[in-house]
Order: sequence, then C-alpha cells, then structure tokens
Amino acid sequence: QSALTQPASVSGSPGQSITISCTGTSSDVGSYNLVSWYQQHPGKAPKLMIYEGSKRPSGVSNRFSGSKSGNTASLTISGLQAEDEADYYCCSYAGSSSVVFGGGTKLTVL
Amino acid sequence: EVQLVQSGAEVKKPGESLKISCKGSGYSFTSYWIGWVRQMPGKGLEWMGIIYPGDSDTRYSPSFQGQVTISADKSISTAYLQWSSLKASDTAMYYCARREYSSSSDWFDPWGQGTLVTVSS
Repeated sequence: QSALTQPASVSGSPGQSITISCTGTSSDVGSYNLVSWYQQHPGKAPKLMIYEGSKRPSGVSNRFSGSKSGNTASLTISGLQAEDEADYYCCSYAGSSSVVFGGGTKLTVL
Repeated sequence: EVQLVQSGAEVKKPGESLKISCKGSGYSFTSYWIGWVRQMPGKGLEWMGIIYPGDSDTRYSPSFQGQVTISADKSISTAYLQWSSLKASDTAMYYCARREYSSSSDWFDPWGQGTLVTVSS
C-alpha cells in the first residue's frame, strides 16, 4: 500500500481556518468511512483528533472537524491558535486489518 | 485512566537482538488490539502490525512481515515488539497504541510515549 497523499505544509494566521487534504484510493479512503486524524507536536506522541471521518473524541476542541468526499478526506481547523502548530497525519483502514497513514502535514501558525 | 507505558530508549549494535515493551493499564487489556507504529527520524508514521492480546491473533503490514515479531503476555498486560538482528535502518521511534478495531470502527487511542531505538556500530 502506498501512503496517503497530504500536502507537506500548510499555514494560516491566528483566527483563520485551514484545511488539510488526505487523498487515497478506492481501496482505502474511498471504500471505508474509517479515516482518523492525529496531531503530533515535536517530541511528543501522536494524539487522536478525529475518528470515523468526522467524529471528535471527548476533550478535542470543536474547532477541529473532518469530512470526506470520494477518495479524499479533509481536516479543517477553524479559529487557528498558536497551540495548533504541529504535524498532522491522516490514517485510513485499507482492508484485511491493515491501515495506511498519510505522509504528514506541517501546520505553521503565522 | 487508560494508559500505555513503553520501555526506555535503547542503543544497540547492528546484528544484536532487541525486545521493547508496552504495558497497558486502566482498561481490559485482552479486549483491545494493540498496534505498533514506526517513525523514522524526521519522517512520517508507518503501521507495522497489530496483536489481540486475548488470543494473540497477530497481523503484520507486508512491509514489516518477517522483519519483526509482535507478541503479548496478557498475564502482565504487556505487548512486545522484537528484532532478532537489528540493522542501522531500524533506527527510529517506535510507538504502541491501542487500536479500536471492528467492522465499523478503526482508530488508535491512546498512544504510548514512544521508545527510541538507535542502532549504530
């Protein structure tokens, strides 16, 4: 399986909204509503932000939202804050108990 | 609190063997899959494989099949990742994570703090 495709970097100013795309294929993102998103700050473990495409775990800000259209999933962060600066990874179920991660996107808050 | 605590950093030489651990607490360890994820220096996340401690059912990513062994000891709520002969290219941070996995759900949460493995002569 090839990694899901994410932009290497995105940026935005405080208060703005940004969207990170995650493009897969009809064998992963397109076939299952099982995309999750993870936030990773430097030197820290990843943290679940979105699961099943659009659901937020308890404790995750409602500024984070997820969606999917066809083979592409998206993570939107509204009202950008300095603490949102981190790497973000998407992950999709890919059949036969396997998953595939995206290459990661570095979010810079200007 | 659901928690996964991993063993400490390791420095090894090429050809040596290694087994790192991931201890679960705060939940029924035998009822959830545990996954292992590699992160090479400055790179992204790669799924290595999973184990169901309840019956030791183990699945591997094709990229890691035959390269590592995943196991678990449910009596002490601990999962393991091991190598029989390390290579320099195994240098990476390794994370364990509890996988919520069923026909209608799939995500990793929580994650362990990571174990840094350095392989150098």
